[in-house]
Order: sequence, then C-alpha cells, then structure tokens
Amino acid sequence: AQKITQTQPGMFVQEKEAVTLDCTYDTSDPSYGLFWYKQPSSGEMIFLIYQGSYDQQNATEGRYSLNFQKARKSANLVISASQLGDSAMYFCAMRAPTGANSKLTFGKGITLSVRP
Amino acid sequence: DTAVSQTPKYLVTQMGNDKSIKCEQNLGHDTMYWYKQDSKKFLKIMFSYNNKELIINETVPNRFSPKSPDKAHLNLHINSLELGDSAVYFCASSQLLGIGGTDTQYFGPGTRLTVL
Repeated sequence: AQKITQTQPGMFVQEKEAVTLDCTYDTSDPSYGLFWYKQPSSGEMIFLIYQGSYDQQNATEGRYSLNFQKARKSANLVISASQLGDSAMYFCAMRAPTGANSKLTFGKGITLSVRP
Repeated sequence: DTAVSQTPKYLVTQMGNDKSIKCEQNLGHDTMYWYKQDSKKFLKIMFSYNNKELIINETVPNRFSPKSPDKAHLNLHINSLELGDSAVYFCASSQLLGIGGTDTQYFGPGTRLTVL
C-alpha cells in the first residue's frame, strides 16, 4: 500500500524568502510518480510539479523545485522567493502503480502562510 | 478555456435526497476520477474510469454511482444522501501513460456538497 506523510504543522515564511515543505512516502512499487498540488483558500487544486521515480535530476518549475531523495523516500517541495500569493495548503501525492489502476494517494497537507 | 469543469459548484440539500454532480474535461484525456475531500481537508480517491470503463472503486457505499457516457464526461450520482456525505467532491482527469511517463491529474474546481 502507498503512504504519504506530511507532518509539519502550519508553516510560516517571510515574503521573498525560501521555504521547504516536507514529504516522505512509502511504496513497494518500483515505478511511481510524486506530485505537489496547491490548494488556495478559493478551494481549487492546482498542479505544481512532478517527479518520476526514475528521473535522475530533481524537477524544477519556475520558483518550485522538488528535492527528491530516493533512498530516504523523501520528496520535499522548495519554494524560492516566496510571494503573498503562495499562502495556501500544499499537498504531496504519489501515483502508483503505473497503468490503468493508477491513483493518487495524498498526504494530509501543510498550510503555508507568507508574511509581508 | 476551462480544462476540467464541474457543476454545480455548491449543492445544499436535505438528508435522504438524490443528487448528481457533473464533470467534463476538454483535455482529451482518457481517464477520469472522483475524489472526496473531507472537513479535515483529507483527499481520497473514490472512483476512476478509463475510456468509460470503471477501473477503481474504493470501498465507496453503493449509494454513490458514477456514470461515464463518454471519455470527456464523468458524473456522480448519490442516492439517499446522509449527513456524512457533506464534503467537497473533486473531479480530475489524466492521460494514462506507460512506465516513465507523466500522467498528471488535473482537477476541476470542486463541488461543495452540504447535507442538512
């Protein structure tokens, strides 16, 4: 069974600083994908970044990067140069297995507040 | 253009009623999903359909019946609504890929269901 763990309490960061949101996972599938989604107070789920289990390099998307440490089974999200609009709930998710039975398993989320 | 749309956005109804939520995607994806987000913001998959075929049914009461008339639509019908059904329901879609591919799921805006 797949499991995603997000244990940080609410996080606070000063505007323009970087912040790391932690995520650890557990799966027995050799092929899996790791995703981060953002849910602002308006409620929609916004895809941020993806990392495949076979990817050699850490994924980056603009101000978002994923610190993927496969041996430690961690997939932390790094947001650089935080903006007020980054205040939201952030979910780490894992897709396993690959194929038609694929589904996303979510962590419980982390609330990030950006201070001006 | 909206990629994944859901109607209605809000649904308030009495216990015991039957209601439906509609979902449409214009991304050309072949797989669609329903997720439930509870009051603690925990997201859990309910169903997935691939090319109109039910693939995943995650221990959801049989009062919940998904229907996929075509690849672009996945509706959720709920019979005999109960207080515990109150939640936000998200539709999502993705394109299934093989090992090494990226099958990112894109979410609709959500339907907030309140059962009184």
